[in-house]
Amino acid sequence: KQEVTQIPAALSVPEGENLVLNCSFTDSAIYNLQWFRQDPGKGLTSLLLIQSSQREQTSGRLNASLDKSSGRSTLYIAASQPGDSATYLCAVFNTDKLIFGTGTRLQVFP
Amino acid sequence: EAQVTQNPRYLITVTGKKLTVTCSQNMNHEYMSWYRQDPGLGLRQIYYSMNVEVTDKGDVPEGYKVSRKEKRNFPLILESPSPNQTSLYFCASSLRRAGGYGYTFGSGTRLTVV
Repeated sequence: KQEVTQIPAALSVPEGENLVLNCSFTDSAIYNLQWFRQDPGKGLTSLLLIQSSQREQTSGRLNASLDKSSGRSTLYIAASQPGDSATYLCAVFNTDKLIFGTGTRLQVFP
Repeated sequence: EAQVTQNPRYLITVTGKKLTVTCSQNMNHEYMSWYRQDPGLGLRQIYYSMNVEVTDKGDVPEGYKVSRKEKRNFPLILESPSPNQTSLYFCASSLRRAGGYGYTFGSGTRLTVV
């Protein structure tokens, strides 16, 4: 059974720092991995989608990497801003559904 | 704008009173799914649909029903809601179930059953 773990569960940093959020999964037979952002009480916004054949994807200040063989993905946030404060979720798609980690709650203070 | 639209955004109801949460997508996606999100348990799949008239159970289907009569709509039905169904619900869609397509999520429906 696929299990997805995110570390750390919470993170508080000053503005301007570069951050790394970690996601690990137990079954490497995945189709893709997707990173989402969720603001309190709100919906999920897709940030990056990495196909199983890809190693990384970039969008603005965000860079996500994927190492299928080791069951790991990292989300790198450059030059963090207070507006980046949110919960970040990773999700993997393997056999028939999207399976989510429990998220990393990020707070960036001025 | 490509989107998944859920209604209502907030709903408070009483135990046993049937309700429907609507979900509609404008992207011609084949695959649609419902999730619930609870503190400490994360997001769990309730039901999914691979196409019109094709639906199947997810991980937590008890107490819920769905239908897929049209490609764009995938309503979630609670025939007799109970307090343990108080949760944040999300509808999601994807072009197809598998093959590397990403998911688009709705804004969520916060349901409280008293």
